Amino acid sequence: AQSVTQPDIHITVSEGASLELRCNYSYGATPYLFWYVQSPGQGLQLLLKYFSGDTLVQGIKGFEAEFKRSQSSFNLRKPSVHWSDAAEYFCAVGANSGYALNFGKGTSLLVTP
Amino acid sequence: SQTIHQWPATLVQPVGSPLSLECTVEGTSNPNLYWYRQAAGRGLQLLFYSVGIGQISSEVPQNLSASRPQDRQFILSSKKLLLSDSGFYLCALDRPNSPLHFGNGTRLTVT
Repeated sequence: AQSVTQPDIHITVSEGASLELRCNYSYGATPYLFWYVQSPGQGLQLLLKYFSGDTLVQGIKGFEAEFKRSQSSFNLRKPSVHWSDAAEYFCAVGANSGYALNFGKGTSLLVTP
Repeated sequence: SQTIHQWPATLVQPVGSPLSLECTVEGTSNPNLYWYRQAAGRGLQLLFYSVGIGQISSEVPQNLSASRPQDRQFILSSKKLLLSDSGFYLCALDRPNSPLHFGNGTRLTVT
């Protein structure tokens, strides 16, 4: 069965520092992988997606993620965090459709001055 | 571009009252439509999905139902709300080879 684990429930970083949010997945086939961001009281916005090809994926807002098959991971990174990046981040894995998509429980990012 | 409208944005309802949340989409046709619920600390739970008018699949048996009377309209309903129905309800759509796209959600508080 497919599943997604986001090991960190909360992460705090200083503004300007680098960021890495972890995501590990379990999936029987080649996965489709996604990262979404959710600001308080808002819906989810797609940051980036991986379907195939280059394992380093660039997304919006300066985010990138790297697919590592050997580690079953799809970690999200940003070189320099801005205060506006404070939000909840969700990793998702599965087929390219909502009914077959598994979401992690999310990582809440706090950015300090 | 595709847009999802959800209303109301927030809703407070007493236990035992009925519920109707509406989701309409623009800028696309024949989308797959979804209702997700987000409860604190529990991530996103898929409730219903629809691949076309009148076609509803339920992922989790519960106090809720869904209907799709038109191609671009998806409605979430309940005859009698429970306290456990409180949460953040998100409508979403996808198209072939296109990632899931979410609306801004409805915050439901059952008192």
